[in-house]
Amino acid sequence: EPEVTQTPSHQVTQMGQEVILRCVPISNHLYFYWYRQILGQKVEFLVSFYNNEISEKSEIFDDQFSVERPDGSNFTLKIRSTKLEDSAMYFCASSEVGEQPQHFGDGTRLSIL
Amino acid sequence: AQSVTQLDSHVSVSEGTPVLLRCNYSSSYSPSLFWYVQHPNKGLQLLLKYTSAATLVKGINGFEAEFKKSETSFHLTKPSAHMSDAAEYFCVVTSWGASKLTFGTGTRLQVTL
Repeated sequence: EPEVTQTPSHQVTQMGQEVILRCVPISNHLYFYWYRQILGQKVEFLVSFYNNEISEKSEIFDDQFSVERPDGSNFTLKIRSTKLEDSAMYFCASSEVGEQPQHFGDGTRLSIL
Repeated sequence: AQSVTQLDSHVSVSEGTPVLLRCNYSSSYSPSLFWYVQHPNKGLQLLLKYTSAATLVKGINGFEAEFKKSETSFHLTKPSAHMSDAAEYFCVVTSWGASKLTFGTGTRLQVTL
């Protein structure tokens, strides 16, 4: 069964550094998403992406965050200058056109020191 | 606006006994509802979905859920728990035309011998 792949599984970064989280969505999916889960809290929506542009974003997704689909397979989340509070599990998801549900990857655990 | 409330943060059952995980939702429009499961150090796996077809929805691993509009509920059940069912379960809502999923706070299911 096709699946969403995320790399790395764990990323440790110094505060203030840039970090890029990578995702390979399911190949025939056209909608892409990022969510995060701070330890002990609920999963929160960050951003959705379709047709090479952001379709929706939350208030969490400020100017420090950006997303990109640099080629036909990867979908990335960049945090420009990381803060301690960015420490969380970040999940990538994808879905087919106009159809839920969203399929999730195993996540990247981001630890900011 | 949309939201879900998972009424129990932790449920403990004995192996072989029924499971009931409770969820109430709020949505301005016709909702789509999902249950996802998260095993330790793994991603979010879809158990089942409701998208305005049959109100009783069957999912994987013997789970099912019933959509009750009058009670705004979408409780998850399983007739007989198995040790492998121990995990975190999330009730999730989205509305037609919305791209983001809104997660509940999760219910940790413990299964004892």
